[in-house]
Amino acid sequence: QKEVEQNSGPLSVPEGAIASLNCTYSDRGSQSFFWYRQYSGKSPELIMSIYSNGDKEDGRFTAQLNKASQYVSLLIRDSQPSDSATYLCAVTSNFNKFYFGSGTKLNVKP
Amino acid sequence: EPEVTQTPSHQVTQMGQEVILRCVPISNHLYFYWYRQILGQKVEFLVSFYNNEISEKSEIFDDQFSVERPDGSNFTLKIRSTKLEDSAMYFCASSAGSGEKLFFGSGTQLSVL
Repeated sequence: QKEVEQNSGPLSVPEGAIASLNCTYSDRGSQSFFWYRQYSGKSPELIMSIYSNGDKEDGRFTAQLNKASQYVSLLIRDSQPSDSATYLCAVTSNFNKFYFGSGTKLNVKP
Repeated sequence: EPEVTQTPSHQVTQMGQEVILRCVPISNHLYFYWYRQILGQKVEFLVSFYNNEISEKSEIFDDQFSVERPDGSNFTLKIRSTKLEDSAMYFCASSAGSGEKLFFGSGTQLSVL
């Protein structure tokens, strides 16, 4: 069974702080990694994709991938109340099936 | 910006009835998916579809489920005889290429009574 694990939270950070979200996965053959944001009652919305080890930055977001440790993370700098949502980690190995974690709920307090 | 569209947004049905959920993927995308999310739970893979055939399906996708691409734009999920446990949000998604990012539709909330 291929698993994607996330701390369910909630993770509470003050406005302007850095939020750090973590994800581990079980399938060493995984090749593509994604972070989605999901507001309550809405569909997942892509934030970042990462395919190789290291860091990838896009605006206030940085994704980090360590395949040896089977670990992917998302940093959100200068967190805003509008960032409050559930963040889903998604992983795929065979390109036809994405596995999602259960998500980490982030609360950014003004 | 191109988007995946789903209809209806809400569907209420009686147990044992058939439902068809409809999706229009992004026009130049080649890979199509159905996922579902039971309230408070994770997004679960149901099926992927490429080149007019199912490329992978999960254990959830049993004989009561079927998918079809009846024309060049629509992608449908049929549930033949709905059960109470089929109540969930059903998301259609598409991607441009294998392993590339998924773009999700806004979902159909299915309630089986």
